Amino acid sequence: NAGVTQTPKFQVLKTGQSMTLQCAQDMNHEYMSWYRQDPGMGLRLIHYSVGAGITDQGEVPNGYNVSRSTTEDFPLRLLSAAPSQTSVYFCASSAMTSGRETQYFGPGTRLLVL
Amino acid sequence: LAKTTQPISMDSYEGQEVNITCSHNNIATNDYITWYQQFPSQGPRFIIQGYKTKVTNEVASLFIPADRKSSTLSLPRVSLSDTAVYYCLVGDFSGGYNKLIFGAGTRLAVHP
Repeated sequence: NAGVTQTPKFQVLKTGQSMTLQCAQDMNHEYMSWYRQDPGMGLRLIHYSVGAGITDQGEVPNGYNVSRSTTEDFPLRLLSAAPSQTSVYFCASSAMTSGRETQYFGPGTRLLVL
Repeated sequence: LAKTTQPISMDSYEGQEVNITCSHNNIATNDYITWYQQFPSQGPRFIIQGYKTKVTNEVASLFIPADRKSSTLSLPRVSLSDTAVYYCLVGDFSGGYNKLIFGAGTRLAVHP
């Protein structure tokens, strides 16, 4: 049981380049989400999914796309990278029961946009 | 949307009990209170969750007064490895995942 895995661990992009951050979970969780964390700050929700084929925007969705074709995978796409997207990106998954939530986070992807 | 307020930082020494209080005056009836711990260069890790009164697990205790407008995370006998950022979250999934907000958290530094 690997939990939540993310690849790559670190990436450097040039402004305007596109890339996909990968996230996978093996806990059969319905909910998956992407957060970004800037230095010294809390986590901000980018996009989330409540199941395969269903996604919605979080607090800071601009510049990012997501899709959820399977329960296990939830990739995050940067369409045209900008220096403002330099951050650490965390993927999380959870199983919700009666309004509770326990999120399991991946190790993160550090992204530097030059 | 319940907003939380926590101290920005706290200092403690090994072996002491640490209490971190979180204010959430606008908590809704269906909201749960959840605490996460984050070490440098790692994702947050779930610590404890509660709705009312007291909850205890092998890591911490969570005290919630009757009005639920605040909560206190209690870490017994902290060690250097408890140095981390602690986040208090208040929310209810039933209305939508995006209701959960991570604030800046409380940076706890444990000294020898």
